[in-house]
Amino acid sequence: KQEVTQIPAALSVPEGENLVLNCSFTDSAIYNLQWFRQDPGKGLTSLLLIQSSQREQTSGRLNASLDKSSGRSTLYIAASQPGDSATYLCAVPFNAGGTSYGKLTFGQGTILTVHP
Amino acid sequence: GAVVSQHPSRVICKSGTSVKIECRSLDFQATTMFWYRQFPKQSLMLMATSNEGSKATYEQGVEKDKFLINHASLTLSTLTVTSAHPEDSSFYICSARREGREFAYNEQFFGPGTRLTVL
Repeated sequence: KQEVTQIPAALSVPEGENLVLNCSFTDSAIYNLQWFRQDPGKGLTSLLLIQSSQREQTSGRLNASLDKSSGRSTLYIAASQPGDSATYLCAVPFNAGGTSYGKLTFGQGTILTVHP
Repeated sequence: GAVVSQHPSRVICKSGTSVKIECRSLDFQATTMFWYRQFPKQSLMLMATSNEGSKATYEQGVEKDKFLINHASLTLSTLTVTSAHPEDSSFYICSARREGREFAYNEQFFGPGTRLTVL
């Protein structure tokens, strides 16, 4: 059974800092990994999807890395801003195929607060 | 692109009534959609997989007669909470999987969620 863990559970930083969020998973047989952000009372916004064959994926100030063999991914946020405050979730497909096709296993999330 | 909408965004109902929530993929087709519920300060819990043209697949512990799912078209899935009770109050979120050779495998896009309050 795939298990996903995110560390830290919460993070509070001053504006302008660079920060790293961590995600680990127990079953390395994944096709990809997605990072999402969730604002309070809202749905999930897809930030980055990194394929299993990729090492990194970048979008603006965000950079996601993936080390499939060690079961780890990091989300790097450069020059953090108060608007980055949200819960960040990582997710991997539960199973590569069969009846579990497409189901995602989520981590518990990291609550990020960036204060001015 | 890749926008998913949900309707309604918020609903308050009396105990015993049924509530229907719609999930639409606005700019892509999705043969597979997923329904989640989320309790305060917790992560998402998958309830069921909605398959266009066939029966939904429910996760263990989720009552299929309680949570009726209909995926009648490639852009619409509905979740009906039947005979709702206060313990069904929660935040319900759907996702749609974008498919096609030109897209990443199993990339999912989420709706904005529906807040259900049962009095």
